[in-house]
Amino acid sequence: GENVEQHPSTLSVQEGDSAVIKCTYSDSASNYFPWYKQELGKRPQLIIDIRSNVGEKKDQRIAVTLNKTAKHFSLHITETQPEDSAVYFCAATGSARQLTFGSGTQLTVLP
Amino acid sequence: DAGITQSPRHKVTETGTPVTLRCHQTENHRYMYWYRQDPGHGLRLIHYSYGVKDTDKGEVSDGYSVSRSKTEDFLLTLESATSSQTSVYFCATTGGEAGANVLTFGAGSRLTVL
Repeated sequence: GENVEQHPSTLSVQEGDSAVIKCTYSDSASNYFPWYKQELGKRPQLIIDIRSNVGEKKDQRIAVTLNKTAKHFSLHITETQPEDSAVYFCAATGSARQLTFGSGTQLTVLP
Repeated sequence: DAGITQSPRHKVTETGTPVTLRCHQTENHRYMYWYRQDPGHGLRLIHYSYGVKDTDKGEVSDGYSVSRSKTEDFLLTLESATSSQTSVYFCATTGGEAGANVLTFGAGSRLTVL
């Protein structure tokens, strides 16, 4: 099955700086790569996703890049704000609609 | 959020007792999932369902069973709870306007096994 590794496990940045979280996946058949944000005590919520026929996708301060050859994808957050502090999860899926999640990154934006 | 309701939201039980968690959705989504969340492990799939009476195992299915007798309800049962099953359990669905692959989660059920 799919295996997703996520780094770093914790990340602290100064407000206004950029944050980058990286994930690798093992199954070359995977074709959908979402990112979820989970605030403390809340449910995970989708913030951005990318499909394997696209190399990059942006939504305001958030962008995701995908390198299919290397089997890795990354989340980029620019101009970080305190409300960006949360746990971020990457995930990957191929068939059968079974998402496999990374272990999560605790992002802390320092004022 | 896709009208997903989980119950109970919090439960404390003793080792060896049976526990059932319920997930109810009002969106008529075909696919439903149970995940558990533990520190350092992210979200791990326990079981999923692709239709009424159609279920399959996920990554961490040992010690768990599921049932889906109606489209809207997906039950997760721990036949004999163990301390290792202390976790936060999330139900999720896919489908609808969000897209075929987009998981929408319920609010979670925190289970403590003493």
